[in-house]
Formats: sequence, structure tokens, C-alpha cells
Amino acid sequence: KNQVEQSPQSLIILEGKNCTLQCNYTVSPFSNLRWYKQDTGRGPVSLTIMTFSENTKSNGRYTATLDADTKQSSLHITASQLSDSASYICVVSGDFSGGYNKLIFGAGTRLAVHP
Amino acid sequence: ETGVTQTPRHLVMGMTNKKSLKCEQHLGHNAMYWYKQSAKKPLELMFVYNFKEQTENNSVPSRFSPECPNSSHLFLHLHTLQPEDSALYLCASSQEVSVAYEQYFGPGTRLTVT
Repeated sequence: KNQVEQSPQSLIILEGKNCTLQCNYTVSPFSNLRWYKQDTGRGPVSLTIMTFSENTKSNGRYTATLDADTKQSSLHITASQLSDSASYICVVSGDFSGGYNKLIFGAGTRLAVHP
Repeated sequence: ETGVTQTPRHLVMGMTNKKSLKCEQHLGHNAMYWYKQSAKKPLELMFVYNFKEQTENNSVPSRFSPECPNSSHLFLHLHTLQPEDSALYLCASSQEVSVAYEQYFGPGTRLTVT
């Protein structure tokens, strides 16, 4: 079964600290993996996208890693800011037949950054 | 702003009401999507439209009726909903219906069914 599992479900950190969010998937065949940030009451916004051959991708203070062998990804946030408080969603694309945009979504990790 | 707008942002309706959600994209994309997001659950794909034609209905109950008059507009008509239909409904668009293209999401409509 194609699934995306994220951990932890929620996380509280102090402003300025680093944190790492985890994503494990069983989607096959794999096409790409995205990390989205979703602020409360808003739609998800893409942070990074990685294909099978990419091990790491950065977007400012956000760095995503991908291990396609173990089917794991992580999102590392450096020097957290209050504005980083949001849900972070891992999304894996499967290269399924039909060519449709089949995205398998994780349930997200809710991050709260406190002053 | 992502270039995808949704109205209304909030909607409260009774189970016997009929209402519609509207989505508009200003990105020149050819594919549009409706998603349902319930608390602490992954996004659930509901419908996919490609060049105004519905290409996927993910076993959605008939009380949800989509309409796509052109590539820029997408509606979700609602009637005789149930309380469990309360959720955030997200619209998205992409250049083409393919895993290679980024999906851009609107801000969503928070729906409460009483």
C-alpha cells in the first residue's frame, strides 16, 4: 500500500533552535518527493522538490534530504523563527500508469516555535 | 499569494442547504484539483480536471458535484451535506496533469456543516 508517514506529529521548539522532521514512505514506483509548508488557515506552499537522484535540496533555512534506498526523507530547519510555526507536509509522487498527478500526502508535522 | 484564489474563505451551512465553492487560477494552468483536508488527516484528492474535462473522481459521494466551465475556473457544488463533511476544501492547479509539475494551492474554504 502506498503510504507516507511523518514524525513527530507535533513539535515545540524555542526560537533560534534547529529541528528535523522525518518522512518515511512506501510509495512505488517513486517519482519525486516534496515538502510543503502550510500556515494555519492557508493552503500548502512548496518548499523543496527532489527526484530519485537528488540527495539534498536547500531553500534558505530549510534543507531537505532524501535517501531513496531506505525511502526516508528529512526536513531540517536552521535557526528557527516564529514565522516557521506551521504544518510541514511530506508529499511523494508515484509514477503510476495513466500519467496522472498522483500525490500521496503525509498527515504533516505541526511545528510551534516559541519565543 | 500563489495565484489561486478561493471563495468564500469560510462557510457554515445546514444539512439541507445548497451552496457552491469557487476557485480561480491566474497562472495559465491546464489542470485543476479539489482536495479535502480534515483535521490531523492527509489531504484527500477529490476531483481532477484537465483542459476542463474531469479525469478523476476519487469515489466522492454525489452530494459533491464539481463543475469546470473553463481552465481557469472550478466550482464545487454542495447539497445535503453531512456533519462529517466539515473540513478545509483546497483547490489547486498545475501546468499539466503530471507528477513532474508543481501544484499550486489556494487558501482553502473552511466548511462547517451543522
